[in-house]
Amino acid sequence: RKEVEQDPGPFNVPEGATVAFNCTYSNSASQSFFWYRQDCRKEPKLLMSVYSSGNEDGRFTAQLNRASQYISLLIRDSKLSDSATYLCVVTGSARQLTFGSGTQLTVLP
Amino acid sequence: DAGVIQSPRHEVTEMGQEVTLRCKPISGHNSLFWYRQTMMRGLELLIYFNNNVPIDDSGMPEDRFSAKMPNASFSTLKIQPSEPRDSAVYFCASLRPGGPHNEQFFGPGTRLTVL
Repeated sequence: RKEVEQDPGPFNVPEGATVAFNCTYSNSASQSFFWYRQDCRKEPKLLMSVYSSGNEDGRFTAQLNRASQYISLLIRDSKLSDSATYLCVVTGSARQLTFGSGTQLTVLP
Repeated sequence: DAGVIQSPRHEVTEMGQEVTLRCKPISGHNSLFWYRQTMMRGLELLIYFNNNVPIDDSGMPEDRFSAKMPNASFSTLKIQPSEPRDSAVYFCASLRPGGPHNEQFFGPGTRLTVL
């Protein structure tokens, strides 16, 4: 079983739609959680951290459920520029980043 | 400020050849990470250095792979001999002292194709 699992998609949604991505992790000792964004043929970049209380950054909302070992990302009012691959990332006690395989999103005009 | 610099950006080589990938971290960053990304396996950590010392190389696939960091501003990842299954995008990332590991800054990557 992979340490971090994501639905690879692709998710094809119209502009303005709300879309949600899910991620599960296998190591209950994982300490920190993040969403990264990777544009086609580019490097990954940090999108936002994920906290147990849930956190919001504009149109983006991230949630963490430690009991279920589940992380989510919600994008509201999606824009064409949101088209990318979204990577779920987890760190353990060694503080190294473990990446999911990513979920591909295409926002259609 | 210049970000992480990687060279070459693209490399096409034949099976059996030696391949050397290069990375210059952001000035002042003391941790450096090498990752490999493929469609099948996603983004995997190969090795990381702290203050030029290899800390964890458990992700290095096999003895054909080696990495060095002779000084704070330069690192290499070498594959010898290369095989078609090594084809991937190789990313280098760096991190400032005391920075949380999610604040790694990634270079643009080297796209390696082994024929």
